Amino acid sequence: EADIYQTPRYLVIGTGKKITLECSQTMGHDKMYWYQQDPGMELHLIHYSYGVNSTEKGDLSSESTVSRIRTEHFPLTLESARPSHTSQYLCASSEQGSNQPQHFGDGTRLSIL
Amino acid sequence: AQSVAQPEDQVNVAEGNPLTVKCTYSVSGNPYLFWYVQYPNRGLQFLLKYITGDNLVKGSYGFEAEFNKSQTSFHLKKPSALVSDSALYFCAVRDGGYNKLIFGAGTRLAVHP
Repeated sequence: EADIYQTPRYLVIGTGKKITLECSQTMGHDKMYWYQQDPGMELHLIHYSYGVNSTEKGDLSSESTVSRIRTEHFPLTLESARPSHTSQYLCASSEQGSNQPQHFGDGTRLSIL
Repeated sequence: AQSVAQPEDQVNVAEGNPLTVKCTYSVSGNPYLFWYVQYPNRGLQFLLKYITGDNLVKGSYGFEAEFNKSQTSFHLKKPSALVSDSALYFCAVRDGGYNKLIFGAGTRLAVHP
């Protein structure tokens, strides 16, 4: 069973607020990822990291930013939330090696009013 | 560019019947292929992967997948469907050497009693 945790699970907040979505894993994985998913729809990679102090933008442009100061922690921040940011955000991690599966958290469902 | 296609938005199966969820891929080089399942309000769970070797791959919960190089397909199968198998299924392919995954659009499986 994968140990990757996302908080909060649900967040409803007003436009213009600063938001940080938390993601932590206890498996010691170097690689971590953020995906954006509209309910029941495909996933889009928005950020990834190969390790501490490494962050890269994904395939889908996003106004969010990420940081990786510790191996186990990969928070995502929106400086000023807008209704267009309403979506589900999934965090994942994986071991080194290109054939390793990604392990996912249960996601944060974000609604911006 | 690497890609996967899931041609069916939804698959309906009666409980106890065999099920197939289809996936085709397009890659340069050897494909690394994955299947994931997503239950409502949860993250994705890894089911199985194909890296190399035997074309029939066995995974979690009684699922298996058949890799067919000539047809560039990686269909997910189960001999006898359960109502609890009802979920959203994603096929994915590794993107180059970075362990990024490219996901299909997903197929909703509905198993009826």
